[in-house]
Amino acid sequence: EAEVAQSPRYKITEKSQAVAFWCDPISGHATLYWYRQILGQGPELLVQFQDESVVDDSQLPKDRFSAERLKGVDSTLKIQPAELGDSAMYLCASSLELAGTGELFFGEGSRLTVL
Amino acid sequence: KQEVTQIPAALSVPEGENLVLNCSFTDSAIYNLQWFRQDPGKGLTSLLLIQSSQREQTSGRLNASLDKSSGRSTLYIAASQPGDSATYLCAPQTGANNLFFGTGTRLTVIP
Repeated sequence: EAEVAQSPRYKITEKSQAVAFWCDPISGHATLYWYRQILGQGPELLVQFQDESVVDDSQLPKDRFSAERLKGVDSTLKIQPAELGDSAMYLCASSLELAGTGELFFGEGSRLTVL
Repeated sequence: KQEVTQIPAALSVPEGENLVLNCSFTDSAIYNLQWFRQDPGKGLTSLLLIQSSQREQTSGRLNASLDKSSGRSTLYIAASQPGDSATYLCAPQTGANNLFFGTGTRLTVIP
């Protein structure tokens, strides 16, 4: 069964360092999402791509976060510099249908701990 | 902004019981609603997707209903098993192309 792949599964870093997360969506899925989930809360959208274009990055802290999906397939989410409050699970999801209409499939997530 | 509330926040039941998880949302202009399961430290697993035109959707022992006009959905789990222990999240999808999540219901099924 096709899955959304994410790496690394776990990342421990010190504040002010740079971190990067990678996501490979299910083949053929045009829509890709990055969510952040703080412990005990539901996920919140950071950025949404349709192919290589950003559809929504209104909740992305652009002073330190960046995301790209250069060829419209896999995607990278970067944080520089990391802060203590960035400790969370970073989840990638993809969807086959046009944004807003289809079922989302999530990866296993990347858990970030900032010391 | 869509606000999603899930009640109860936590639930503990003996194995074999039928149970209902509740979800309410403030903006009824949704395309669909998805129910997910999340095990500790893991990602989200999609359980059921209900389109806004549907009233319910079934998969095995799971049945989800949607009352769009009143902003409510329920997830019914029949004959619960210890393997059903997890956090269950509901997420309505709005025209803004985004899923809004509640904080979930943490379910424990006691053998």
